[in-house]
Amino acid sequence: ETGVTQSPTHLIKTRGQQVTLRCSSQSGHNTVSWYQQALGQGPQFIFQYYREEENGRGNFPPRFSGLQFPNYSSELNVNALELDDSALYLCASSLGGIGAYEQYFGPGTRLTVT
Amino acid sequence: GIQVEQSPPDLILQEGANSTLRCNFSDSVNNLQWFHQNPWGQLINLFYIPSGTKQNGRLSATTVATERYSLLYISSSQTTDSGVYFCAVDGSNYQLIWGAGTKLIIKP
Repeated sequence: ETGVTQSPTHLIKTRGQQVTLRCSSQSGHNTVSWYQQALGQGPQFIFQYYREEENGRGNFPPRFSGLQFPNYSSELNVNALELDDSALYLCASSLGGIGAYEQYFGPGTRLTVT
Repeated sequence: GIQVEQSPPDLILQEGANSTLRCNFSDSVNNLQWFHQNPWGQLINLFYIPSGTKQNGRLSATTVATERYSLLYISSSQTTDSGVYFCAVDGSNYQLIWGAGTKLIIKP
């Protein structure tokens, strides 16, 4: 059984640039959720994807967008990067469709915006 | 929205000690998970426990759904248990709502 993987591990970008983060869900899982975790805080929900559609969104602006592919992998895109976007971005996969079912997390992508 | 509170915020123990971490939540839930976040940021699933009691080695967890709390027990602590322990419950909009975490330091 393959766990959740994310790429890249680390990334440094400049304010105003765009970034794409990638996630492969655990084998057999059909739902992907994305979270942002600032240093010293708990994760904050960005959005969830099921059957290639966004289902549920947290308090994040439209410049945070995503995609889910037929193989259930997912991308998180962030446009017009701001300094406050510096954080650990976590992807979680689950089985069960829409909802907050038992979720399994990848190792994260640490994004630094300078 | 639902509120999740964890206590204590910080805990420092000697290797071999036992500990109890608490998670209170403000409304009924269908999903409660405990996670351990290691120093490298990896979130590791410990328990999926919306109600009842589960045990896995030195760790066990109990959720009393009617009283809206969950407890995580760690026995015979090891230095590798250090990290931040989070509980998370299902909120509106398909998301997990997270507590602020308990930072655990186990000293050798």
